[in-house]
Amino acid sequence: AQSVTQLDSHVSVSEGTPVLLRCNYSSSYSPSLFWYVQHPNKGLQLLLKYTSAATLVKGINGFEAEFKKSETSFHLTKPSAHMSDAAEYFCVVSVFKAAGNKLTFGGGTRVLVKP
Amino acid sequence: DGGITQSPKYLFRKEGQNVTLSCEQNLNHDAMYWYRQDPGQGLRLIYYSQIVNDFQKGDIAEGYSVSREKKESFPLTVTSAQKNPTAFYLCASSPSSGADTQYFGPGTRLTVL
Repeated sequence: AQSVTQLDSHVSVSEGTPVLLRCNYSSSYSPSLFWYVQHPNKGLQLLLKYTSAATLVKGINGFEAEFKKSETSFHLTKPSAHMSDAAEYFCVVSVFKAAGNKLTFGGGTRVLVKP
Repeated sequence: DGGITQSPKYLFRKEGQNVTLSCEQNLNHDAMYWYRQDPGQGLRLIYYSQIVNDFQKGDIAEGYSVSREKKESFPLTVTSAQKNPTAFYLCASSPSSGADTQYFGPGTRLTVL
């Protein structure tokens, strides 16, 4: 079985300061890991994904995430927050099974950016 | 433009009525998925389809039904048997069931009065 835990349900940052969103996962197999972003009443947009290549993954809009197998973590960071980063972020783990790829979602972290 | 469309964006229905949510994709993807999102929770899988004329139940299929008669279309019917249907519904697709990246539509917010 696989699971994802996002350690903070809400994160508040000031514009121009770093953002850190924490994610821990468990999986019996080598997983693929993703971060998606969702703006209010919108669908999910893929920020980045890890698929066993480089452990530091760069995504869109200046975000990056580091895969740490020893810590079973996949934390998302951005050096300088922008007002447009205010949204909900989901950490997702994917494991391929015979019936197809199954995505397991974390509970989400809502980011507030203060001017 | 290639992508996934869901219609309508907002839907209101009376309790006891069935309602069908539309999902169309022009990405030529084989696999399609339906998720439900409730406030403060991640997405939960309702149904998925790996190929035309085939679909499987996800984690919370009770009270829902789907069909996959065409590659580009995967409508979801929320039946009167669904105990708590008010939610945000998201459709997704991927190139194949073995491809791990899923691409999401804009969602439909269903409110049952």
